[in-house]
Amino acid sequence: KAGVTQTPRYLIKTRGQQVTLSCSPISGHRSVSWYQQTPGQGLQFLFEYFSETQRNKGNFPGRFSGRQFSNSRSEMNVSTLELGDSALYLCASSTSGSSTDTQYFGPGTRLTVL
Amino acid sequence: TQLLEQSPQFLSIQEGENLTVYCNSSSVFSSLQWYRQEPGEGPVLLVTVVTGGEVKKLKRLTFQFGDARKDSSLHITAAQPGDTGLYLCAPPAGGSYIPTFGRGTSLIVHP
Repeated sequence: KAGVTQTPRYLIKTRGQQVTLSCSPISGHRSVSWYQQTPGQGLQFLFEYFSETQRNKGNFPGRFSGRQFSNSRSEMNVSTLELGDSALYLCASSTSGSSTDTQYFGPGTRLTVL
Repeated sequence: TQLLEQSPQFLSIQEGENLTVYCNSSSVFSSLQWYRQEPGEGPVLLVTVVTGGEVKKLKRLTFQFGDARKDSSLHITAAQPGDTGLYLCAPPAGGSYIPTFGRGTSLIVHP
């Protein structure tokens, strides 16, 4: 089974621009979660999607948004980029998002905002 | 939000040494998970500890869940360079709970 894939792996943007990141979950997984990882704050939860619906959301501003498609692939969008948005963005998939499921993480997209 | 504190933050050791890293909280957890994240990769689940006082062994790695289910430790025996990575603890994600990870312990094992 192929693992979680994320594209692109690296991205450089400038302040004020917007960016879209993509995540393809493991086949059969319907839950996709997004996380932001920075040296200062660690791994922080952004949101979780299940069956095309946002089911859970972390404490991030509205500039961070996401969506999930019928094939469970997910995208996240960050508008009006700020320097502080530079981070590793990870997505994780699981079968149903239950606490008994195992989350499988992708390799991440490294976003640098200049 | 359930805060998890991990210590030490950084650890640099020689191959063959033993080490222990800790994950502490003031909250009680039904279970805790340990992940290892290697450079350039996402975290990979190592183990889930469920019962207070539980000890789980994964080759040279020994995980323990505190009796009160507020803390956990990871002990590595005879560390190898392949153990290098960021070790994270977290309660399992799921339901309406907001997933919370500790800041992690960054381990470097020198050959």
